[in-house]
Amino acid sequence: DAGVIQSPRHEVTEMGQEVTLRCKPISGHNSLFWYRQTMMRGLELLIYFNNNVPIDDSGMPEDRFSAKMPNASFSTLKIQPSEPRDSAVYFCASSRFWGETQYFGPGTRLLVL
Amino acid sequence: AQSVTQPDIHITVSEGASLELRCNYSYGATPYLFWYVQSPGQGLQLLLKYFSGDTLVQGIKGFEAEFKRSQSSFNLRKPSVHWSDAAEYFCAVGTGNQFYFGTGTSLTVIP
Repeated sequence: DAGVIQSPRHEVTEMGQEVTLRCKPISGHNSLFWYRQTMMRGLELLIYFNNNVPIDDSGMPEDRFSAKMPNASFSTLKIQPSEPRDSAVYFCASSRFWGETQYFGPGTRLLVL
Repeated sequence: AQSVTQPDIHITVSEGASLELRCNYSYGATPYLFWYVQSPGQGLQLLLKYFSGDTLVQGIKGFEAEFKRSQSSFNLRKPSVHWSDAAEYFCAVGTGNQFYFGTGTSLTVIP
């Protein structure tokens, strides 16, 4: 299995631009998680999906952030408009179901100038 | 509020020495407990997890962890550290619909 796939691996954008991060979970996994990692705040769970349905988005920092999972093999995290404080590494993870082992992707390193 | 505390920000050990990384959690019931390792520029890899049963859990790469309910702790141990163990280690707690990660402990291994 290829593991969790994230794209792009690096993104540099200017403040105000829209950013879309993509994730392909491991086939057969029913749960998908989006995390943000920064030096200041550590690793934070942003949102999690179960069977393509958002279950808990209480970690999403602002309305500028949105996430979708149109099917079992694809999810997006969108930031619009982006701000410099959104600069972070964004990880996607998947598991067979909630509570089981989460497998992390390599992350997307986002820099907003 | 639920929380995960890793009191040691950074630890340095000599290769071959034993290691213990501390993790304490705050939660009313017994949560799911995890230890992950992150190498530079990489995602997180699961070392071990505890859901129920035997409180001493064996993981990959020779790591083990012990759940102590009375102390609300889930400390990670390794009897003999290898240079390749140098990385960031995260303790995590799964409760309800949430996952909480500790702030991490950075491990340096000296020859």
